[in-house]
Amino acid sequence: GAVVSQHPSWVICKSGTSVKIECRSLDFQATTMFWYRQFPKQSLMLMATSNEGSKATYEQGVEKDKFLINHASLTLSTLTVTSAHPEDSSFYICSVPNHFQDRDINEQFFGPGTRLTVL
Amino acid sequence: AQSVAQPEDQVNVAEGNPLTVKCTYSVSGNPYLFWYVQYPNRGLQFLLKYITGDNLVKGSYGFEAEFNKSQTSFHLKKPSALVSDSALYFCAVRSAGYSTLTFGKGTMLLVSP
Repeated sequence: GAVVSQHPSWVICKSGTSVKIECRSLDFQATTMFWYRQFPKQSLMLMATSNEGSKATYEQGVEKDKFLINHASLTLSTLTVTSAHPEDSSFYICSVPNHFQDRDINEQFFGPGTRLTVL
Repeated sequence: AQSVAQPEDQVNVAEGNPLTVKCTYSVSGNPYLFWYVQYPNRGLQFLLKYITGDNLVKGSYGFEAEFNKSQTSFHLKKPSALVSDSALYFCAVRSAGYSTLTFGKGTMLLVSP
C-alpha cells in the first residue's frame, strides 16, 4: 500500500498558539486528502476534505477558520489548528484515497497520526 | 446517509480460538465495505474490503469477512486468534459515487494468552 507520513507525530503546545500538522503522500500524487479527528476510545470523525488547488470542504460543525487546511502540492496537505485550546487536544489523522485503480472504488491509506496536547 | 454499527465495545477471546467482530451497515445503493485495524498511537491499517464478487473476502494477517446483504452485515473473522491481534478494529462503509468513508465506533479486541 501507499505510504503516508505525518509530521510531527506528537506536539505539546500552550493554549492560544497555532500548530501546523503536515501530511505527505510519499508514493503517488494526491489531489484529495482527508483529515480526521479521533478522541480517546472513539471513532474517526471526518473533519474536512483537502483539495489540491482549491478550497477544502469542511464537514458540518467543523470551524474552517479554526482548522485551516492548505493543499499546497499534489503530495502535501497541512492542517493548522489556530489559537489552540485544551479542547482541541486530540489525535489527528490524515488519509489519501487510492486512485490507482477504478477511481470510484478505493480504500484509503492512513498516516500514522499526530497527537496534539494543548496545555 | 450512510452509517455503520459495531455493537460491541470490546471482544475478549483466548489465543487459538476463533474470533468474530461484528459490523452492520446502512447505505443507499451498493455498499463498499472495509475493515481497518489500529494499534495504540498509530494510524489505521487496511485489512480488507468488499466491493463485489464473492461474499467471503480474505485479507491481511489471516483475517476474513463475510458480506451478508440480507442482514446488512460484514463481520470480521479469524479462525485462530493471536495475542498480537489485540488492537482496535474499525468497520467502514461508503456507497458507490460517494467518496468519504463512514466509520463505526470501533471494537477493541483483546486476545489473552
